[in-house]
Amino acid sequence: ETGVTQSPTHLIKTRGQQVTLRCSSQSGHNTVSWYQQALGQGPQFIFQYYREEENGRGNFPPRFSGLQFPNYSSELNVNALELDDSALYLCASSPEADTQYFGPGTRLTVL
Amino acid sequence: QKEVEQDPGPLSVPEGAIVSLNCTYSNSAFQYFMWYRQYSRKGPELLMYTYSSGNKEDGRFTAQVDKSSKYISLFIRDSQPSDSATYLCAMSFGAGGGNKLTFGTGTQLKVEL
Repeated sequence: ETGVTQSPTHLIKTRGQQVTLRCSSQSGHNTVSWYQQALGQGPQFIFQYYREEENGRGNFPPRFSGLQFPNYSSELNVNALELDDSALYLCASSPEADTQYFGPGTRLTVL
Repeated sequence: QKEVEQDPGPLSVPEGAIVSLNCTYSNSAFQYFMWYRQYSRKGPELLMYTYSSGNKEDGRFTAQVDKSSKYISLFIRDSQPSDSATYLCAMSFGAGGGNKLTFGTGTQLKVEL
């Protein structure tokens, strides 16, 4: 158990809609990262938040946005959903000097 | 060309075999290397975390890093059916959670009775 939880487990949306995915980290884990994992691929880095500020971003368009809250929870928001956004979305949290521990993921299907 | 290359498999071995999983990478700036295990439809679970070149052993698992060849390996001894999963290599430029992880595509392993 990593102590990282994500909700919902599964989600089905239609193209053009907006979605919010949630993550809850362990107390003291000030860094949270989000990854997208397409079927049969490794996770791809979307962005990272440190103490509620964005701290790095991968090659994803602005319609992917996020928030981190003081209570160690965070959100990933995706606007104008496209079919290619169908994937497993992973949240990973980390204490100051350690690697990243992943949650179970949210599987998003865009129809 | 991808920064991290990993044979997707599938790799099928009999129970008790020694398994060798490998990744190559192109960016010599990678300093920290990880192996994650991912069961179907679950999140990745950290198995091994190593810095720079050398070996690290943890139970049945041994991780090797050869920075001169840009090549990392994970060995699993006395493999069990419960080891059947996808194994992802990952690497980063710096230590800690403040650095993005770059992953391989994962190797699917099946350990058969």
